Amino acid sequence: KQEVTQIPAALSVPEGENLVLNCSFTDSAIYNLQWFRQDPGKGLTSLLLIQSSQREQTSGRLNASLDKSSGRSTLYIAASQPGDSATYLCALPIISNFGNEKLTFGTGTRLTIIP
Amino acid sequence: NAGVTQTPKFQVLKTGQSMTLQCAQDMNHEYMSWYRQDPGMGLRLIHYSVGAGITDQGEVPNGYNVSRSTTEDFPLRLLSAAPSQTSVYFCASSFAGSNTGELFFGEGSRLTVL
Repeated sequence: KQEVTQIPAALSVPEGENLVLNCSFTDSAIYNLQWFRQDPGKGLTSLLLIQSSQREQTSGRLNASLDKSSGRSTLYIAASQPGDSATYLCALPIISNFGNEKLTFGTGTRLTIIP
Repeated sequence: NAGVTQTPKFQVLKTGQSMTLQCAQDMNHEYMSWYRQDPGMGLRLIHYSVGAGITDQGEVPNGYNVSRSTTEDFPLRLLSAAPSQTSVYFCASSFAGSNTGELFFGEGSRLTVL
């Protein structure tokens, strides 16, 4: 069974700093890995999706990397802003006959950017 | 596009009552799924569907029923609500295929069972 771990559970950093969020998984046979953002009381918003054949994916100030052999993904946020404060979750599809219809989620890292 | 729409946003039930959480998407996605989110437990898959007429159980299916009569709609039914079903419920959808699969979520339905 795929297990997904995100450590730390909470992180506070001053505004302007660069930071890295971690995601570890136990089964390297994956289709892709997706990073989400969740604001309090809201749904999840997809940030980046990395296919298993890719090493990294970038969107604006966000860069996600994937190392299947070590079972790790990182989400790098450059020049952090107070608006980046949210919970960040990673998720991986459970390998199946169909594809990626079932995802396993980490429990998330709650990020606070201090103005 | 409205994306994924869930109703109601909030609901309070008494133990033993039944209700249906509605989910609709307008992106012509084949895959739809229901997750529940509980503190310290993360998101857990309840049921999912890979197309109209095809549904299957996820990690925590007990106490919930689903059906998929159209591509757009995927309702989640609680037949006899229990306090353990107090949670935030999220519906999600995506295109089929292992090489795509970006997941789109609704805003959530917060359910309290007394």
